[in-house]
Amino acid sequence: QQQVKQSPQSLIVQKGGISIINCAYENTAFDYFPWYQQFPGKGPALLIAIRPDVSEKKEGRFTISFNKSAKQFSLHIMDSQPGDSATYFCAASMKGNTPLVFGKGTRLSVIA
Amino acid sequence: DGGITQSPKYLFRKEGQNVTLSCEQNLNHDAMYWYRQDPGQGLRLIYYSQIVNDFQKGDIAEGYSVSREKKESFPLTVTSAQKNPTAFYLCASTEGSTGNTIYFGEGSWLTVV
Repeated sequence: QQQVKQSPQSLIVQKGGISIINCAYENTAFDYFPWYQQFPGKGPALLIAIRPDVSEKKEGRFTISFNKSAKQFSLHIMDSQPGDSATYFCAASMKGNTPLVFGKGTRLSVIA
Repeated sequence: DGGITQSPKYLFRKEGQNVTLSCEQNLNHDAMYWYRQDPGQGLRLIYYSQIVNDFQKGDIAEGYSVSREKKESFPLTVTSAQKNPTAFYLCASTEGSTGNTIYFGEGSWLTVV
């Protein structure tokens, strides 16, 4: 119940295309769903996050879509750029300072 | 600048030795965390601490120990009992008032030789 399942493991997208990464969860007590971006040799950094009271959140080229009934959420990167090449992690946590549970990550490569 | 500082960045350990990874934050965050990252495994929680002098085991605590004597410091000791310690270790912290946003340090690479 604590797991967050992320797919795909790796993704190759043409420059200018849309990158889509999906995550699914089981624990209905989760109420915070962030996405983290990690470049090689660096710590992850928060990219965008959503709470279950909204179905979509957009920040620039990055959008989270949230489907509460299906217990799924996804990250969409519009107009993907080579600089977006990184590993992306979805995560989830419950209320309070409970630790985040992370997906296994998706390695995104954006090619020109 | 405010942030989380991990040291050393690279560390080599001989089998049978204990080693301590340092994590210091000047963000005045209450909660601190240690995660381990292996290729294809995501981030797995080792230990976390929500207040000074208190900490809880995460999913993979065996072979590790921590202390939280000061709010800004949360060192991790990798003991000789940890059978496969070679990994990338990440320290993180949270400001409690805004919920669950976690900020990470730059990580420490530990290699057993």
